Amino acid sequence: GQNIDQPTEMTATEGAIVQINCTYQTSGFNGLFWYQQHAGEAPTFLSYNVLDGLEEKGRFSSFLSRSKGYSYLLLKELQMKDSASYLCAEMDSNYQLIWGAGTKLIIKP
Amino acid sequence: EAGVAQSPRYKIIEKRQSVAFWCNPISGHATLYWYQQILGQGPKLLIQFQNNGVVDDSQLPKDRFSAERLKGVDSTLKIQPAKLEDSAVYLCASSLDQGKTYEQYFGPGTRLTVT
Repeated sequence: GQNIDQPTEMTATEGAIVQINCTYQTSGFNGLFWYQQHAGEAPTFLSYNVLDGLEEKGRFSSFLSRSKGYSYLLLKELQMKDSASYLCAEMDSNYQLIWGAGTKLIIKP
Repeated sequence: EAGVAQSPRYKIIEKRQSVAFWCNPISGHATLYWYQQILGQGPKLLIQFQNNGVVDDSQLPKDRFSAERLKGVDSTLKIQPAKLEDSAVYLCASSLDQGKTYEQYFGPGTRLTVT
């Protein structure tokens, strides 16, 4: 079966760096997405990785290792507005997204 | 560019009543998705349309849920009759096409409470 695992909740300090990990298991793989979801709002796209390595986009970076079934989202220079849930989603062989439950990130001043 | 529109934003109904949700995807997007998101969980795909045809409805509880996208643009999702466990946010998303790694754009969702 397909299973996406990510931590339920993380806490970090404003201005710091945090890494949110995601592991996946699948027989087919067409990429790994990260979405941000503020409370009561819809998910918004952050990043997409299909090849191994690090993709950097401003304060946010995403990493993928296909051999390990592992990805992480790295957030630098944390701001209070980064408090949200971060959803990891794997695109399967049918090009459908299999979603994790999300990691709730709490930023403290 | 206008985003994905959904209505209503909130709905409270009693169990066994009926409810319908409406979605208007981004113009030109061929693929439309309905998701159910229960609090504290990731989105669960209910149904996927490609233009006006159903691509996948394997997780749609067909005894009570139905969806249509008659002209390949707007879509409606209906629940009849509703159960307590249907309380969730119903998200509509669209993407340019299927079969490729296009990102999905989400609407604001409809928060359904069944009492």
